[in-house]
Amino acid sequence: KAGVTQTPRYLIKTRGQQVTLSCSPISGHRSVSWYQQTPGQGLQFLFEYFSETQRNKGNFPGRFSGRQFSNSRSEMNVSTLELGDSALYLCASSLGQGTTNEQFFGPGTRLTVL
Amino acid sequence: GDSVTQMEGPVTLSEEAFLTINCTYTATGYPSLFWYVQYPGEGLQLLLKATKADDKGSNKGFEATYRKETTSFHLEKGSVQVSDSAVYFCALSGHPAGGTSYGKLTFGQGTILTVHP
Repeated sequence: KAGVTQTPRYLIKTRGQQVTLSCSPISGHRSVSWYQQTPGQGLQFLFEYFSETQRNKGNFPGRFSGRQFSNSRSEMNVSTLELGDSALYLCASSLGQGTTNEQFFGPGTRLTVL
Repeated sequence: GDSVTQMEGPVTLSEEAFLTINCTYTATGYPSLFWYVQYPGEGLQLLLKATKADDKGSNKGFEATYRKETTSFHLEKGSVQVSDSAVYFCALSGHPAGGTSYGKLTFGQGTILTVHP
């Protein structure tokens, strides 16, 4: 079974631009979660989508948004980029139901904001 | 809210040494607990999990026991190898029956492990 894929793997943007990241979950998984990883803040939860609906949201400004499509693929958008948005963005997929929320991670998208 | 605290790193060991990485958590209800590992330049891999009190998760020689009385989930391995060098993250997820944290993983700050030959 194919794992979680993320595209692109690397991105370089300048301040003020916007960016869209894509995540394809494991087949059969209905939940996609997004995380930001930085050396200073560690791994922080952005949001989770389940069956095309945002089910959970972390403490990030409204510049960070996402969506999920009917095939469970998800996109994350960051508008008006700031230098502090430079990070590794990880998405994870899971069944989204059941006793454990076992999440499987993709390789991440490395975003650099100049 | 939910939180996870891991022991301060980095941890440096010689090959075949015993490893313990401490993890304690704060959460309401009965969370599921996980250990993830991250190798350089890669995403996170699930190492092991436990879903209820006294469960022991194990994989690749690593073990961790869900201790509700001490709210802990310490990672152990009897004999580490150079290939175990990585960053280890303890994490929790809420129970599906309660709260809004079910679809969200809360992570500890990570512990860098370096194993020398």
